[in-house]
Amino acid sequence: EVQLVESGGGLVQPGGSLRLSCAASGFIFSDHWMTWVRQAPGKGLEWLANINTDGSQTYYVDSVKGRFAISRDNSKNSLFLQMDGLRAEDTALYFCARIDAVSFNYWGQGTLVTVSS
Amino acid sequence: DIVMTQSPLSLPVTPGEPASISCRSSQSLLHSDGYNYLGWYLQKPGQSPQFLMYLSSNRASGVPDRFSGSGSGTDFTLKISRVEAEDVGVYYCMQALQTPITFGQGTRLEIK
Repeated sequence: EVQLVESGGGLVQPGGSLRLSCAASGFIFSDHWMTWVRQAPGKGLEWLANINTDGSQTYYVDSVKGRFAISRDNSKNSLFLQMDGLRAEDTALYFCARIDAVSFNYWGQGTLVTVSS
Repeated sequence: DIVMTQSPLSLPVTPGEPASISCRSSQSLLHSDGYNYLGWYLQKPGQSPQFLMYLSSNRASGVPDRFSGSGSGTDFTLKISRVEAEDVGVYYCMQALQTPITFGQGTRLEIK
């Protein structure tokens, strides 16, 4: 069974940093592109970043480019999102998902990030 | 960026009746490989999004056949032939033709 479990969320002050993790199991992690998507409270879905199978290619939405970094450790079946320079508008539930072809086929349950002083 | 526009934003439906959600993109989603890079997702209350449809008209594994997708280019539709109580939630279309990947605003389906 495919499982994706996010962790690392929490309360952080504006300008602070957090590193989110996504632990993958039930599939060959190194065979799949991965993605991060977020959802602000009461709002819709916003794609943040993609990473290819070996981590050599990354793609970002403009609103997080230069502040967030997606990475992976295939030896540990883990995906990461390093978030620096956090702003109030980054407050959201952050999901990781597995990419199959052009679809986000499996999603984690999300980890909540709150940016507030 | 490709803008995705869904309608309606709210959809009250009587159980057993059909439902239809429209999704329009600001640019064609037709790839050179002949496929439309449009997918549909459902976020049930309190849950993570789940994958419903890919490449416009292909159901994901385990998705009931009362769900169907159609459309090409810039106009797409998700149809439910007979709505059931378990279908409530917010439906999103998503384009994966180019980055940034973008979602529609969401359509909230509720039972009358």
